[in-house]
Amino acid sequence: ETGVTQTPRHLVMGMTNKKSLKCEQHLGHNAMYWYKQSAKKPLELMFVYSLEERVENNSVPSRFSPECPNSSHLFLHLHTLQPEDSALYLCASSQDFGEGTQYFGPGTRLTVL
Amino acid sequence: AQSVTQPDIHITVSEGASLELRCNYSYGATPYLFWYVQSPGQGLQLLLKYFSGDTLVQGIKGFEAEFKRSQSSFNLRKPSVHWSDAAEYFCAVGDGNKLVFGAGTILRVKS
Repeated sequence: ETGVTQTPRHLVMGMTNKKSLKCEQHLGHNAMYWYKQSAKKPLELMFVYSLEERVENNSVPSRFSPECPNSSHLFLHLHTLQPEDSALYLCASSQDFGEGTQYFGPGTRLTVL
Repeated sequence: AQSVTQPDIHITVSEGASLELRCNYSYGATPYLFWYVQSPGQGLQLLLKYFSGDTLVQGIKGFEAEFKRSQSSFNLRKPSVHWSDAAEYFCAVGDGNKLVFGAGTILRVKS
């Protein structure tokens, strides 16, 4: 049990759909992260939130929209995705932004048709 | 900018044999170093980390890693591999604000 949960675990969507990924951490952490893991590519950091404020946005297309309503929950809203967006999306949390150890959830496997 | 190189994409070892996974990093200051493991369809699990102090760090599942500043390396070792160790292993370097991951090494264990 890592203390970070993600739902759904699998998602198939069309290019015109709108869907959301959810992440919840039960560790009392203050920072949360979204990563994208594509086949044969290193993990890519997408967004970082610290105390519910976005502190990093790594040139992610606007079709990905994060939301952090409180320090325990993180969402990734998806709309008008492309097939190349198919990947494993991982959520992570750390005690504070700048405290190096991150704990990961199991991921959401996204397939865009 | 920091970077991480894991030179081996795949490694196959026999069950019971010893294991060493290589990791080299590029970073100007003293890095934070991590090893994570990922089983198929799962997220990343932290195996061990190095922040400072003793350069040989012990982790979970019988793994250890040694920080060698002169070689910019942080290799992961295990004296006797079990079939359940088959997974993908990621080395990462952090500067406190973000982690940069290597491309990963897939470990196969043959019986």
